[in-house]
Amino acid sequence: EPEVTQTPSHQVTQMGQEVILRCVPISNHLYFYWYRQILGQKVEFLVSFYNNEISEKSEIFDDQFSVERPDGSNFTLKIRSTKLEDSAMYFCASSATPLLGYTFGSGTRLTVV
Amino acid sequence: GQNIDQPTEMTATEGAIVQINCTYQTSGFNGLFWYQQHAGEAPTFLSYNVLDGLEEKGRFSSFLSRSKGYSYLLLKELQMKDSASYLCAVRLNRDDKIIFGKGTRLHILP
Repeated sequence: EPEVTQTPSHQVTQMGQEVILRCVPISNHLYFYWYRQILGQKVEFLVSFYNNEISEKSEIFDDQFSVERPDGSNFTLKIRSTKLEDSAMYFCASSATPLLGYTFGSGTRLTVV
Repeated sequence: GQNIDQPTEMTATEGAIVQINCTYQTSGFNGLFWYQQHAGEAPTFLSYNVLDGLEEKGRFSSFLSRSKGYSYLLLKELQMKDSASYLCAVRLNRDDKIIFGKGTRLHILP
């Protein structure tokens, strides 16, 4: 069964450092998303991406965040200067059409120290 | 604002039936999803309702009433592996994003 792949599975970084979280969506999917989940809290929408541009972003997705689809397969989330409160599980998701549910990757656990 | 409410925790017995309720008040509505999430893992898709009524898929069923802003997930013949969080999520009209409730943690007792 096709799956969304995320790397790394865990990342520890120092406050103020830049991190790049990587995702390989399912190959025929056109819609891509990043969500995050702070420990014990709900899954929160960050950004959606379609046709090589951001479709929508939440208020969480400020200037410190950016997304890219550098080639035909990867979809990345960059956090320029990490803060302690960025510590969370970050999930990438993709879908062939918004009419159906997303397929989530297994997540990257980001810990900012 | 967008509100999706579901009970925080529920407990049920192996082999039994449990119903997890979800109510929503959102600025738009274009479908309701249920996801299962085991601790430390990604959400996995369970069901999708866009029209009123019951959708059945094996041991799991999901119901929607749009006029009441209400859905439930029904799990039958509970197994220990069903111990997980169950997330109710709504897609708003205008956007394709899905927004999630806080989830219901279901504990299954032997």
